[in-house]
Amino acid sequence: KAGVTQTPRYLIKTRGQQVTLSCSPISGHRSVSWYQQTPGQGLQFLFEYFSETQRNKGNFPGRFSGRQFSNSRSEMNVSTLELGDSALYLCASSLGAINEQFFGPGTRLTVL
Amino acid sequence: GENVEQHPSTLSVQEGDSAVIKCTYSDSASNYFPWYKQELGKRPQLIIDIRSNVGEKKDQRIAVTLNKTAKHFSLHITETQPEDSAVYFCAATVNQAGTALIFGKGTTLSVSS
Repeated sequence: KAGVTQTPRYLIKTRGQQVTLSCSPISGHRSVSWYQQTPGQGLQFLFEYFSETQRNKGNFPGRFSGRQFSNSRSEMNVSTLELGDSALYLCASSLGAINEQFFGPGTRLTVL
Repeated sequence: GENVEQHPSTLSVQEGDSAVIKCTYSDSASNYFPWYKQELGKRPQLIIDIRSNVGEKKDQRIAVTLNKTAKHFSLHITETQPEDSAVYFCAATVNQAGTALIFGKGTTLSVSS
């Protein structure tokens, strides 16, 4: 069974630009969550999607948004990039509540 | 919202010793508590988890205990080996309805031989 995949793996953008990251969950998993990982703040929850609906949202500004498609693939978008958005963005998929979340390899975003 | 505190932030032990990492959570509605191990440059991987209706769970050298009254859970690693060196994260569910997790800040475990 293929694992969680994320594209692209690396991305370099400049301040003010926007970016879209993609996540393909494990086949059969309908829940996808996104996390931001930085050395100073650790792993921070961004949002969770289940069956195309946002089920939970973390404490991030409105510049961060996401969506989920009918095939459970998910995208997150960051508009008006800031230097502080430089981070590893991880997505994780799961069968549902109280089940293991499987992480993808992440997208390393660098904002210059 | 949910908050998870993790201690210590760094832990150094000798090979063969035990290691203990402790976490506390704030939301009594949390019902699932996983522990992840992340090696340098790799994705987090689940090593053990516990549900709120269980007090203790063990898997070979790894065990987790949960005290719901105190909102406290701990990871115990016995007979540590150099390959146990990594960053360990505890986490708790945001609520009972989903899979979203709030993570502790992580513990860097170093096992020297």
